Amino acid sequence: EAQVTQNPRYLITVTGKKLTVTCSQNMNHEYMSWYRQDPGLGLRQIYYSMNVEVTDKGDVPEGYKVSRKEKRNFPLILESPSPNQTSLYFCASSSTPLGEVLTDTQYFGPGTRLTVL
Amino acid sequence: KQEVTQIPAALSVPEGENLVLNCSFTDSAIYNLQWFRQDPGKGLTSLLLIQSSQREQTSGRLNASLDKSSGRSTLYIAASQPGDSATYLCAVVGSGNTGKLIFGQGTTLQVKP
Repeated sequence: EAQVTQNPRYLITVTGKKLTVTCSQNMNHEYMSWYRQDPGLGLRQIYYSMNVEVTDKGDVPEGYKVSRKEKRNFPLILESPSPNQTSLYFCASSSTPLGEVLTDTQYFGPGTRLTVL
Repeated sequence: KQEVTQIPAALSVPEGENLVLNCSFTDSAIYNLQWFRQDPGKGLTSLLLIQSSQREQTSGRLNASLDKSSGRSTLYIAASQPGDSATYLCAVVGSGNTGKLIFGQGTTLQVKP
């Protein structure tokens, strides 16, 4: 089954304790992206990746890191989480060759609800 | 700056009714528009994707239209069912090819049996 998976689904942590949210897709997609969803602000892009070793900032990248060492995985790293990073996080992927216009459907993972105390 | 607006924010209808959800965007320079469904506590499920060159797309009881020049899209749901209850989000991919989806705030639909 074609899917985007995220782990963990729920996480409660404390300020400053480094954490990683994993994202994996089994569709051989080039494009992957991270969003956060907050009440009243909607979904906003954090980082995206056009292909392996190609990443760039979205609208709200502060406090986050990503890596793309292999095509299927795109982990989101919070080096020193703070309470304002409490949010619902979504990973997405799409099939688009590098350099071409992104016109394909974007598929989303189930979400990771993060609480930072 | 592209902004996406969805009206109404919430909608309640009796089962069996046909309904229309509205989405508007401020910048007509888009690559595509995508409609999603979000159930409470779950991820986003893609419903329909309309390329900028297309006028509409259909999937089962769903029909989405796009009028790029006026910055509008509608999602038509025929013969609504209680299982259609969810939040519906529209999103556009704008110029710049970052692949960034710019989302509306969503319309929360309740279909009453």
